[in-house]
Amino acid sequence: GAGVSQTPSNKVTEKGKYVELRCDPISGHTALYWYRQSLGQGPEFLIYFQGTGAADDSGLPNDRFFAVRPEGSVSTLKIQRTERGDSAVYLCASSSLAGGDTQYFGPGTRLTVL
Amino acid sequence: SQQGEEDPQALSIQEGENATMNCSYKTSINNLQWYRQNSGRGLVHLILIRSNEREKHSGRLRVTLDTSKKSSSLLITASRAADTASYFCASISYSGAGSYQLTFGKGTKLSVIP
Repeated sequence: GAGVSQTPSNKVTEKGKYVELRCDPISGHTALYWYRQSLGQGPEFLIYFQGTGAADDSGLPNDRFFAVRPEGSVSTLKIQRTERGDSAVYLCASSSLAGGDTQYFGPGTRLTVL
Repeated sequence: SQQGEEDPQALSIQEGENATMNCSYKTSINNLQWYRQNSGRGLVHLILIRSNEREKHSGRLRVTLDTSKKSSSLLITASRAADTASYFCASISYSGAGSYQLTFGKGTKLSVIP
């Protein structure tokens, strides 16, 4: 079936604005992860969902970041009052088992905050 | 924060040569995975090695794991120009309450010269 998809592929916004980034995992995958990757760095963990609930949100940098997965499939990462430092590629991944197995990544959303 | 470190940060070799990349991590792991990334976008899973395994092969890839030294290596044999990419190791640790966390290093940028 189809892989993990993310929309939009690119998002340019102004400082202070609100953005939503969407992730469609592989059908049937119960585990879903969000990561953030800055230029020249490896992906940095943000949050992990098992089903509808956030099993681990310890990577969210502050309360401007929030993510939901209301029906256990599609997830939305929400960033309020964006700052220039939020500019990065946001990656989503899903896996079929309870997170300890291979993760399949989407192409990412490149967020630019002007 | 990222716990893995890849070595070297950049590697340039001639086509046909072997490429070796090393990775270190800090805490106990369930397994360790290697990923490849082109052009700073989606990551592609290459190979997973479990904590009770010492060596694993997949095509031209060979991964070793030394849990006593908390290190792993990825060997790509008979490299091709198409292998040019960034390579990341990622350690999977159980963080409690059914949650697993994937922690990436900063990556090795491999350039294979035709």
